Amino acid sequence: AQSVTQLGSHVSVSEGALVLLRCNYSSSVPPYLFWYVQYPNQGLQLLLKYTSAATLVKGINGFEAEFKKSETSFHLTKPSAHMSDAAEYFCAVSERAGSARQLTFGSGTQLTVLP
Amino acid sequence: EAGVAQSPRYKIIEKRQSVAFWCNPISGHATLYWYQQILGQGPKLLIQFQNNGVVDDSQLPKDRFSAERLKGVDSTLKIQPAKLEDSAVYLCASSYTTGYGNEQFFGPGTRLTVL
Repeated sequence: AQSVTQLGSHVSVSEGALVLLRCNYSSSVPPYLFWYVQYPNQGLQLLLKYTSAATLVKGINGFEAEFKKSETSFHLTKPSAHMSDAAEYFCAVSERAGSARQLTFGSGTQLTVLP
Repeated sequence: EAGVAQSPRYKIIEKRQSVAFWCNPISGHATLYWYQQILGQGPKLLIQFQNNGVVDDSQLPKDRFSAERLKGVDSTLKIQPAKLEDSAVYLCASSYTTGYGNEQFFGPGTRLTVL
C-alpha cells in the first residue's frame, strides 16, 4: 500500500529565505507524485506533479520539486519565500497500476512566512 | 472555466441529525471524488465515481454515509445519523478521466461541525 510522510507539520521561514518542505513516499513501484497547496477556507490547488518525465519538476508560483528514487523523496522548494506563500501544503501519491488512480495524501505542512 | 462548486460552505448540526452536501463538478469531468479532511490531517478519499457509477467506496462508512451521482453530473453526500467524529471539511473534486497523473480539481469544501 502506498503512503506519504511529510516531515514537519509546521515550518517557519523569513520572507526571502529558502522554502524546503519534505515529502517521502512508500510505494512498490515509482508512483505519480503531487504537491497541492491549500489556502484558508479554500480547496486544494495543484502546485506541480511528477509523472515520470524530468525528475526536476517546475510548478506554479516559483515552486519546484525533485523526484529522487534512491531516497524515495519528492521535496518541495522555492528559492525565496513570499508572504503570499503562507498556506498548508500537501504531498500526495498515486499508484501507476490499478483502475482507480486514487490520491493518498500526507498529513500536510503549514508554512508560515515571517516578515 | 467555472470550478468545482460545493454547498453549503458551512453546516452546524447536532449529533444524530442528518446532513447533505452537494457538489457540481467542472463541466465535462467524468470522475468525481468526495474526500473527508479532519483538522490537522490530509484529505481521505471516501468515494469515487466514474460518470454515475461507483469506482471505489471502500473507505465510506456505509452504515451512516451515502452518496449518489445521478445522471453523471452533480453529486450529493449524505450523513445519517451524524456522529461527533464526523466533524470535518468535506471536499469534492473532479477530473477529466481517471488517467495516470490526471489532475484533480477541488472545490472549496463544506465545513461540518457536529455538536
